[in-house]
Amino acid sequence: DTGVSQDPRHKITKRGQNVTFRCDPISEHNRLYWYRQTLGQGPEFLTYFQNEAQLEKSRLLSDRFSAERPKGSFSTLEIQRTEQGDSAMYLCASSQLRGPDMNTEAFFGQGTRLTVV
Amino acid sequence: GDSVTQMEGPVTLSEEACLTINCTYTATGYPSLFWYVQYPGEGLQLLLKATKADDKGSNKGFEATYRKETTSFHLEKGSVQVSDSAVYFCALVHNFNKFYFGSGTKLNVKP
Repeated sequence: DTGVSQDPRHKITKRGQNVTFRCDPISEHNRLYWYRQTLGQGPEFLTYFQNEAQLEKSRLLSDRFSAERPKGSFSTLEIQRTEQGDSAMYLCASSQLRGPDMNTEAFFGQGTRLTVV
Repeated sequence: GDSVTQMEGPVTLSEEACLTINCTYTATGYPSLFWYVQYPGEGLQLLLKATKADDKGSNKGFEATYRKETTSFHLEKGSVQVSDSAVYFCALVHNFNKFYFGSGTKLNVKP
């Protein structure tokens, strides 16, 4: 298993353009998370999935952001009409919830760094 | 709501010095607690974890003990190395929910 994979690693886009990021979780992990991290800050929650169901989306997230996880495997995060304030590292993580141990650790990908110019 | 508070950095130490990074949390019930480490330009890597009160997580010479009475999970290492220079994040999860992270503490270890 190669761990959580994110693509692309880096993305530079012009303000107003749409971008899409992909995350491939560890195989058979049923939970998938998206976080955003700006310089000098901790990861900020965006959304998470249990299999293909989106369980929660941050209230701080504008409707320009949307995420999907079709078939409960890979996930995509799309940002429409990007703004300079969207510049950040976007982190994906996955975990396997099973049995009584439901609070297991999350494994993170290397992130996608977005720069909006 | 749930939250994590950790000491602000940066923390600068000489090699072989002792390290303590403080972390306290707010949560109802019994969360699981974690320390993650992040190297420049990389994602977060799990360093250690503890899932119930009085558990001690340990890895690579780092330790942290889950103290419910003080709602703390301080990270300690007896002798740091230059290679330990990174940003350290305290985190919690419970009720099958999302992870909450502290703001991170940058550690600089000088030779």
